[in-house]
Order: sequence, then C-alpha cells, then structure tokens
Amino acid sequence: AQSVTQPDIHITVSEGASLELRCNYSYGATPYLFWYVQSPGQGLQLLLKYFSGDTLVQGIKGFEAEFKRSQSSFNLRKPSVHWSDAAEYFCAVGPGGYQKVTFGTGTKLQVIP
Amino acid sequence: GAGVSQSPRYKVAKRGQDVALRCDPISGHVSLFWYQQALGQGPEFLTYFQNEAQLDKSGLPSDRFFAERPEGSVSTLKIQRTQQEDSAVYLCASSREGLNEQYFGPGTRLTVT
Repeated sequence: AQSVTQPDIHITVSEGASLELRCNYSYGATPYLFWYVQSPGQGLQLLLKYFSGDTLVQGIKGFEAEFKRSQSSFNLRKPSVHWSDAAEYFCAVGPGGYQKVTFGTGTKLQVIP
Repeated sequence: GAGVSQSPRYKVAKRGQDVALRCDPISGHVSLFWYQQALGQGPEFLTYFQNEAQLDKSGLPSDRFFAERPEGSVSTLKIQRTQQEDSAVYLCASSREGLNEQYFGPGTRLTVT
C-alpha cells in the first residue's frame, strides 16, 4: 500500500530564510510524487511534480524538490521564504495524477518577520 | 478557463439529514475525484470517475455515502443520514486524460450538528 509521512506538523521560519519540508513515501513501484499547497479556505494548488528523469524538480513560486530513491524522500525546498508562503503543504504519492493519490498529513508553515 | 467549482461552499446539517454536494469539473476533464479532509489531516481518497463510470469507490467510508456522475461532467456526492463524524471538507478534483496532475476545487465544508 502507498503511504506518505510528513514528520513535521508545524514549522516556523523567518522571512528571507531558507526552507526545507520533509516527505518520506512508501510505494511498491516507481512513484509519481507531488507537492501541493493549501491556503486557508482554498483548495489545493500543485507546486510541482516528479515522474521520472532529473531528480531535482523545479516548481512554481520558486520551490524545488529533490527525489532521492535510496532514502524514499521527496523534500521540498525554497532558498528564501516570503510572508505569502505561509500555508499548509502536502506531499502526495500515486501511480499517476489520473489515479487516486495518497496525501500526507501536511506541514503548516508559519513565516515570521 | 474556469477552474473546478464546488457548491455549496459551506453546509450545516443536523444529524440524520441527507446532504448533496456538487462538483463542476474543468470542461473536458474526463477524470473526477472526491476526497475527504478532516480537520488537521490530509485529504483522503473517497471515489474516482472516468467519464460517467465510477472506477474506484474503495474510499467511501460507509454505504451512507454515494457519488454519481451521470453525464460524465457534473458530479454529486450524497451523504445520507449524516453523522457528526462526517464533518469535514469535501474536495473535488479533476484531471485531463493523460495528464498526471489533478486540479482541485475550493471544497465544501460540511458541519454536522
């Protein structure tokens, strides 16, 4: 069965500081991996996705993620956080975006001045 | 074009009432998904349609939950005899054939009192 673990429930960073959100997955085959962001009262917005190829994936809003098969990880990074990045971030895994996707429990990001 | 829309955005139901939640996917998207997101949790898969065919309903928590998409476009998630544990945000997503990502609506927040 596929599963996702996001070990950090809540993270606080200062504006301008770098960010890394952790994600570990369990999946029996080559996974499709996703990072979504959810602002209060909003739906989920796709930040980036990984299917194959280059293990460093660039997304929207200056985010990137690195797929490490040996560690079953897909951590999300941003070199300099903006106050508008405060939101909840979800990592997800699945056989493809057109099939059901399993989400982690999310990491809530707080940005302080 | 327009994104995924859901109605109502908020619904308060008394325990035992039936509710119907509507999802309008992006035009031309053949795949449609329903997810349930409890407070403080990630979205959990409920069911999936490809056109009008319900291909996977393994996530529906009980036989009180029923989903349909009769013409392969708009979908309705119906919950009969609502219980307090049904309180959650219900998210709808759609995907184009061959596209490995899902586009989410803003969700319907259901509160059962």
